[in-house]
Amino acid sequence: QKEVEQDPGPLSVPEGAIVSLNCTYSNSAFQYFMWYRQYSRKGPELLMYTYSSGNKEDGRFTAQVDKSSKYISLFIRDSQPSDSATYLCAMSVRQAGTALIFGKGTTLSVSS
Amino acid sequence: ETGVTQTPRHLVMGMTNKKSLKCEQHLGHNAMYWYKQSAKKPLELMFVYNFKEQTENNSVPSRFSPECPNSSHLFLHLHTLQPEDSALYLCASSQDNRGETQYFGPGTRLLVL
Repeated sequence: QKEVEQDPGPLSVPEGAIVSLNCTYSNSAFQYFMWYRQYSRKGPELLMYTYSSGNKEDGRFTAQVDKSSKYISLFIRDSQPSDSATYLCAMSVRQAGTALIFGKGTTLSVSS
Repeated sequence: ETGVTQTPRHLVMGMTNKKSLKCEQHLGHNAMYWYKQSAKKPLELMFVYNFKEQTENNSVPSRFSPECPNSSHLFLHLHTLQPEDSALYLCASSQDNRGETQYFGPGTRLLVL
């Protein structure tokens, strides 16, 4: 079983839709969770990060962590064509000598 | 310049060439990383440096040789590469190497002929 699982999609939605992107993980020691957005031919950019369980909201984006289910989500409200990108989840245990573990990324296409 | 910069942005090289990729971070971070990103594959961590010292080499072939002269600069020296090495090479930095948030550069798109 891979440490982080993420459905690669592609996911296609109409403009204005609510999008749900998800990752599951197997390591219960993960406590720091991130979402990155990567446009075609660009480097990933950090969207949001959260510690432990709970929700965090930033504009149209909400990150949710459910540690009991080992499941994290990113919700995008009122999706726009400019949201079309690949979204990568990442997580870590936040200990010396450890690195972020990335999911494969989900490709999202929002049509106008 | 702000954030993480990488040069060149695009590179085409033959299998017998030697070239170098450069990364510079302007964030005051102490850890720097090289990743390889191939089509339809997850990010592959190649090397990690913390305070200029290499702390991780993820079984990377010796035709890739990293160099970290200081905490702000990271190089990846390439020689006798194979066509399957064609990919997007990403540099990232973070405050330290404790699994902190990483900030990425735009990447170098490499094509090996």
